[in-house]
Amino acid sequence: GDSVTQMEGPVTLSEEAFLTINCTYTATGYPSLFWYVQYPGEGLQLLLKATKADDKGSNKGFEATYRKETTSFHLEKGSVQVSDSAVYFCAVSQGDSNYQLIWGAGTKLIIKP
Amino acid sequence: DGGITQSPKYLFRKEGQNVTLSCEQNLNHDAMYWYRQDPGQGLRLIYYSQIVNDFQKGDIAEGYSVSREKKESFPLTVTSAQKNPTAFYLCASRPNRAGNQPQHFGDGTRLSIL
Repeated sequence: GDSVTQMEGPVTLSEEAFLTINCTYTATGYPSLFWYVQYPGEGLQLLLKATKADDKGSNKGFEATYRKETTSFHLEKGSVQVSDSAVYFCAVSQGDSNYQLIWGAGTKLIIKP
Repeated sequence: DGGITQSPKYLFRKEGQNVTLSCEQNLNHDAMYWYRQDPGQGLRLIYYSQIVNDFQKGDIAEGYSVSREKKESFPLTVTSAQKNPTAFYLCASRPNRAGNQPQHFGDGTRLSIL
């Protein structure tokens, strides 16, 4: 079945460091790919998305490129801030008619000043 | 502003008691979802509904029930059959069945056992 594998956390970085959180997936057809962010005690917010191969989603300095050849959707940011500390979830839409989202386990990001 | 409202924010359940979590959306979305999140874990799907008066079990439906009598509302009941209900519950909605549409989330309800 479809699945999503994320880099295990926590990931701890210093402020202004470069961030990469890896996400790979297995899915049939042509899924859409999403990154969500969850701040402590809150629900999930959509961070960015990509709907076809080679699309690049971007928002708030974060970027991710839909790589069909490597089935990956890695999240990157050039210079992280303390306020980026949160849990990040990668998700893939199923290719069947239910259009469910398959979720990664989440990666906790800690940014130290 | 349109959005998803979950209430209450915190809820306590006594042994043998059923409790109902509210989820209301004014986004005119067709599909709605309930997820459970345990500490340090990802999301697990409890139930989902793609249209009014229809809903499907997710991966962990045992001990839970739902209804979808109105497009805007998708309440979740945690029954006494759910022996380990302590968790963070998230409601989400989605515009339609198209795979490229993201899910939108409420702020969650934290349920604890008294």
